[in-house]
Amino acid sequence: DVKVTQSSRYLVKRTGEKVFLECVQDMDHENMFWYRQDPGLGLRLIYFSYDVKMKEKGDIPEGYSVSREKKERFSLILESASTNQTSMYLCASSFTSGTEAFFGQGTRLTVV
Amino acid sequence: QKEVEQNSGPLSVPEGAIASLNCTYSDRGSQSFFWYRQYSGKSPELIMFIYSNGDKEDGRFTAQLNKASQYVSLLIRDSQPSDSATYLCASYSGAGSYQLTFGKGTKLSVIP
Repeated sequence: DVKVTQSSRYLVKRTGEKVFLECVQDMDHENMFWYRQDPGLGLRLIYFSYDVKMKEKGDIPEGYSVSREKKERFSLILESASTNQTSMYLCASSFTSGTEAFFGQGTRLTVV
Repeated sequence: QKEVEQNSGPLSVPEGAIASLNCTYSDRGSQSFFWYRQYSGKSPELIMFIYSNGDKEDGRFTAQLNKASQYVSLLIRDSQPSDSATYLCASYSGAGSYQLTFGKGTKLSVIP
C-alpha cells in the first residue's frame, strides 16, 4: 500500500513564526502536492512538484514556499505564519501525471 | 485558471436509491478524472478513476465521462448510510498536465 505520512496531525503556532510542514511518501512517486482545505472552499492547491528540486505554484501560493530536495519528501513552509493560514493542510502524491493521488492524514494548523 | 465545478449540495437520497453526483471541467485538454470520497475529519480516498468516454463500473459505483460536454458523473446504486460523505471530483490540467485540481465537493446524505 502507498503510504503518505505528514509529520504532525495537529499543530499550534504563533503569528509571525516560520512553520515547516513535512510530507514523506514511500512509493517513489514523481508528483507531490500540497493543498489546504477550508469549509466552503474545498481543496485548494498551494504548490506541486513533478520532480526533485522542481516546483510549481498552484492556485494560492502567496505566503507559502516549498522544498523538495529528495524525491520522497516535500516540505511546505509558511514564511511568517498569519491567522488566515489556520487550516487543514493535506499532502498528496501520485506516480506520474494522469494517475491517482494518495493523501496523507492531514495537518490541522492553528495560528494564534 | 483551470476549474472543476461541482454542485455543493447537500444532496439527500433515501437508503437504497441511486445517488447522482455531477462535475464539469473547463480544461478541454484534461485526460484523466477522479472521484474521491471524504468522510468528515478524514483525508480523501479514491473511489474511481476514468480516462475514456463512456461508463466505467465498479461494484455499486459507475463513473461516466463525456469529453465533448466536459462532464463527469458518479452514480451510486443502492445507496447506504455509510455512503454519506463529501464526494470530490478531480482532474489534471495545465501545462504538462501536472496540476491536479479538485472541485469543492458535493455533500451526500443517505437517509435510512
